[in-house]
Amino acid sequence: KAGVTQTPRYLIKTRGQQVTLSCSPISGHRSVSWYQQTPGQGLQFLFEYFSETQRNKGNFPGRFSGRQFSNSRSEMNVSTLELGDSALYLCASRRGGQSTDTQYFGPGTRLTVL
Amino acid sequence: TQLLEQSPQFLSIQEGENLTVYCNSSSVFSSLQWYRQEPGEGPVLLVTVVTGGEVKKLKRLTFQFGDARKDSSLHITAAQPGDTGLYLCAGSTQGGSEKLVFGKGTKLTVNP
Repeated sequence: KAGVTQTPRYLIKTRGQQVTLSCSPISGHRSVSWYQQTPGQGLQFLFEYFSETQRNKGNFPGRFSGRQFSNSRSEMNVSTLELGDSALYLCASRRGGQSTDTQYFGPGTRLTVL
Repeated sequence: TQLLEQSPQFLSIQEGENLTVYCNSSSVFSSLQWYRQEPGEGPVLLVTVVTGGEVKKLKRLTFQFGDARKDSSLHITAAQPGDTGLYLCAGSTQGGSEKLVFGKGTKLTVNP
């Protein structure tokens, strides 16, 4: 059974640009969550999608957005990139939406903003 | 804002030693999870604890959830180099469609 895949694995952008990251969850999983991981702040929750609807959102500015498609694949977009957006962006999927459902993380996309 | 404080932030020990990592908060969590993350990979779930006072064992790893569900600990017995990694605790704020709050992690290095 394939795990969570994220593309691209590495990305370099410059300030002011926008970026789209992609996440393919494990087959049959309907929930996809996105996290930002930095050395200073650790892992911070961005948002969660369940059956194409955003169900939860973290404390990030509106420049961060996402969506989920009918096949459960998800994308997140960051517009007007800032240096502080450099981070590892992790996607996680789980079958349902309960806390008891195991959450499986992908390997992440390493974004560098110059 | 609910925070999870992990300590220590860094830990370097010799193979065979025991260690304990702590995860503390002033907030009550409905459940708490422990993950291990290795370089270049995403976190991998080790255990979920849901009941105050609960103790779970996974081979040489022992996890405990505090009675008040505000804190947790991870104890590793006879650490091995394969235990090296970033250990993260994460608290779930409510049942149902909750979001996870993560601690900043404990970076463990076990030297042979």
